[in-house]
Amino acid sequence: KAGVTQTPRYLIKTRGQQVTLSCSPISGHRSVSWYQQTPGQGLQFLFEYFSETQRNKGNFPGRFSGRQFSNSRSEMNVSTLELGDSALYLCASSRGTQETQYFGPGTRLLVL
Amino acid sequence: AQSVAQPEDQVNVAEGNPLTVKCTYSVSGNPYLFWYVQYPNRGLQFLLKYITGDNLVKGSYGFEAEFNKSQTSFHLKKPSALVSDSALYFCAVILWGGGYNKLIFGAGTRLAVHP
Repeated sequence: KAGVTQTPRYLIKTRGQQVTLSCSPISGHRSVSWYQQTPGQGLQFLFEYFSETQRNKGNFPGRFSGRQFSNSRSEMNVSTLELGDSALYLCASSRGTQETQYFGPGTRLLVL
Repeated sequence: AQSVAQPEDQVNVAEGNPLTVKCTYSVSGNPYLFWYVQYPNRGLQFLLKYITGDNLVKGSYGFEAEFNKSQTSFHLKKPSALVSDSALYFCAVILWGGGYNKLIFGAGTRLAVHP
């Protein structure tokens, strides 16, 4: 069974731009969660989607948003990029609540 | 507040020796605990989890973890370390309720296995 895939793997943007990251979950998984990883803050939860509905959101500004499609694929968008948004963005999928989350390889975003 | 602590930034061990990576947690209710490993420029790879039952959980690549409720710990162990085990290890607890779940991670412990 194919794992979680994320595109693109690397991205360079400038301040003020916006970016969209994509995540395809493991087949049959309906829950997709997004995490931000930085050297200073570690791994932080962004949001979770289940059956196209956002169930939970972490403590991030409104510039961070996401959505999930009917095939469970998910996208996250960051608008008006700031230097501090440079990070590894990880997507994880699971069958549902309390289930093991399996992570994709991540998208490394660099904001200049 | 619910949290996970990994008290060691780095653990050094010689190849062939046993290794332990420590994790303690603070949660209300029964914890669901996980260990993940991250290799350079890669995502997180699931190693093992504790939900309920036996306190000793066996996982991938010869790793195991011991759940200790009285000490609120979930230490990762391996009887004989390999150089290829060198990576960043994360302990996590899952918070769930109201129909959602999210992982709370520790800060991570870098494991260095020397030949």
